[in-house]
Amino acid sequence: KAGVTQTPRYLIKTRGQQVTLSCSPISGHRSVSWYQQTPGQGLQFLFEYFSETQRNKGNFPGRFSGRQFSNSRSEMNVSTLELGDSALYLCASSLGSTGGSGYTFGSGTRLTVV
Amino acid sequence: GENVEQHPSTLSVQEGDSAVIKCTYSDSASNYFPWYKQELGKRPQLIIDIRSNVGEKKDQRIAVTLNKTAKHFSLHITETQPEDSAVYFCAFPHGQNFVFGPGTRLSVLP
Repeated sequence: KAGVTQTPRYLIKTRGQQVTLSCSPISGHRSVSWYQQTPGQGLQFLFEYFSETQRNKGNFPGRFSGRQFSNSRSEMNVSTLELGDSALYLCASSLGSTGGSGYTFGSGTRLTVV
Repeated sequence: GENVEQHPSTLSVQEGDSAVIKCTYSDSASNYFPWYKQELGKRPQLIIDIRSNVGEKKDQRIAVTLNKTAKHFSLHITETQPEDSAVYFCAFPHGQNFVFGPGTRLSVLP
């Protein structure tokens, strides 16, 4: 079966701009979680969507938002970009429960803010 | 929230030796413990997991042991090979999501 698809793979934006990243989960997976990965902070949880509803949210400012569509595809948006937003953004697909299965990650979108 | 500690942060071993990475957690309700491997420039991938009703699980050269009383679990890699060089993350359930440890950079020296 197809894996988790993230687009685009690379992005370069300037400060103040906004960006939208996309994630298509594994077919049948209804949960999409987003993580920010930086060398100094590791994998930080942004938010999770399940059946088009945001179910959990991490400690990120309101500039970070997301949504999920009826086909389970998810987008995350970052507005008013800051230099510190430069990171690898990973989405993770799962069935929606942490009781017995882990994540399948996409390849990520590497965002560089200049 | 969930407090996750992972040690060591870096680990260098000679090819053929064993490597052990340990994670401790604070949430006693955790019942599923996965480990992820992330090679340079690639996505994290699930390599092994264990459930709370099992003390040890092995998959070829990789094993995970769980001590629920002490709230820690460890990844063991035997007969290490150069392709084992990567960053390894433990993860813990936190609600419907996972909290990840800070990672261990394993280098296998030829």
